Amino acid sequence: AQSVTQLDSHVSVSEGTPVLLRCNYSSSYSPSLFWYVQHPNKGLQLLLKYTSAATLVKGINGFEAEFKKSETSFHLTKPSAHMSDAAEYFCVVSRYNQGGKLIFGQGTELSVKP
Amino acid sequence: DSGVTQTPKHLITATGQRVTLRCSPRSGDLSVYWYQQSLDQGLQFLIQYYNGEERAKGNILERFSAQQFPDLHSELNLSSLELGDSALYFCASSEVLAGGTGELFFGEGSRLTVL
Repeated sequence: AQSVTQLDSHVSVSEGTPVLLRCNYSSSYSPSLFWYVQHPNKGLQLLLKYTSAATLVKGINGFEAEFKKSETSFHLTKPSAHMSDAAEYFCVVSRYNQGGKLIFGQGTELSVKP
Repeated sequence: DSGVTQTPKHLITATGQRVTLRCSPRSGDLSVYWYQQSLDQGLQFLIQYYNGEERAKGNILERFSAQQFPDLHSELNLSSLELGDSALYFCASSEVLAGGTGELFFGEGSRLTVL
């Protein structure tokens, strides 16, 4: 079985400070891992993906995530938060050849203070 | 703009009723997926179609059904609605079977309120 746990339901940072959104996964197989972002009243957008290539994955808008198998983690980071980063972030796991059956974490709401 | 179009954006109906949600995938995408987002359950995979055929099923209730038409648009039918069916229903599409790539393109959702 596969699952993801997002360790924080809400994270608040000041503009210009680093962002860390934490995600642990559980998978019986080599997982594919993703981060999606959902802005208010919008659909979800893929930020970045890990599919067994480089363990440090760079995404859009300056975000990156590092796959750490020993820690079963896939934390999302950004060096400097921007007001426009305020949104809900979802850590997602899927198994190759499971089609689009993505398993979503519960989400982390990121607030950015001016 | 993801290129995935969902209608209606908002829908209010009563318990026991039936509704149909419509999704037009991105041009050229053969796979369509339906997800339900609710406060208590989070985002849950419902069902996937690929080129008109059902490919994967998730936590979809028997009262719900879906289909993908020859022009690749899809409809999600929800019947005998209950209060707990109130949620945001997302459609997503991908060019091929997303598999490990996870690259789904999501519409903005249809918000269903059951009173």
